[in-house]
Amino acid sequence: EAGVAQSPRYKIIEKRQSVAFWCNPISGHATLYWYQQILGQGPKLLIQFQNNGVVDDSQLPKDRFSAERLKGVDSTLKIQPAKLEDSAVYLCASSLRDRVSGELFFGEGSRLTVL
Amino acid sequence: GENVEQHPSTLSVQEGDSAVIKCTYSDSASNYFPWYKQELGKGPQLIIDIRSNVGEKKDQRIAVTLNKTAKHFSLHITETQPEDSAVYFCAASISNNDMRFGAGTRLTVKP
Repeated sequence: EAGVAQSPRYKIIEKRQSVAFWCNPISGHATLYWYQQILGQGPKLLIQFQNNGVVDDSQLPKDRFSAERLKGVDSTLKIQPAKLEDSAVYLCASSLRDRVSGELFFGEGSRLTVL
Repeated sequence: GENVEQHPSTLSVQEGDSAVIKCTYSDSASNYFPWYKQELGKGPQLIIDIRSNVGEKKDQRIAVTLNKTAKHFSLHITETQPEDSAVYFCAASISNNDMRFGAGTRLTVKP
């Protein structure tokens, strides 16, 4: 079974530039998450989708971050304009959202460096 | 919202010894508590989880205990091996929504 795919793996930009990350979840997984992981910290939830609807975006800095999940499959996370403090690994995860398993399957992440 | 605290931040043990990582959570409504292992350059991977209707769960060398009254849960790894070296995260959520992670514990198992 193919895992969660993310791209690009690495991105370096200057502050005030924009960047976009792409995620393809495991086939059949209805729920998709974007997490921000700053070096030395645990993942912080940015946004959670159920199919193509937003379940929780309370921690998403909406003045600069946006995310969409068209057709309930792939998702993109955009940052515009980027700040130095946005340097982090952006992790995408997906899950079945059934009652039996709550397991999140993570991709390898997209590492962003803002200079 | 939920707040998860994790201790210690680093842990070093000799191969064959046991390792214990502890977490506390703030929201009494949380009912799902997974543990994830993250190796360098990879995303976190689930190693064990426990739901609030169970006090303990074991899977080979790994066990998790949950004390709902005290709102804390712990990961126990016995007979540690060098390949157990990684960063471990605890997490808590309400019915799989809004999963909050602890800050992580870097475990080093010395041969």
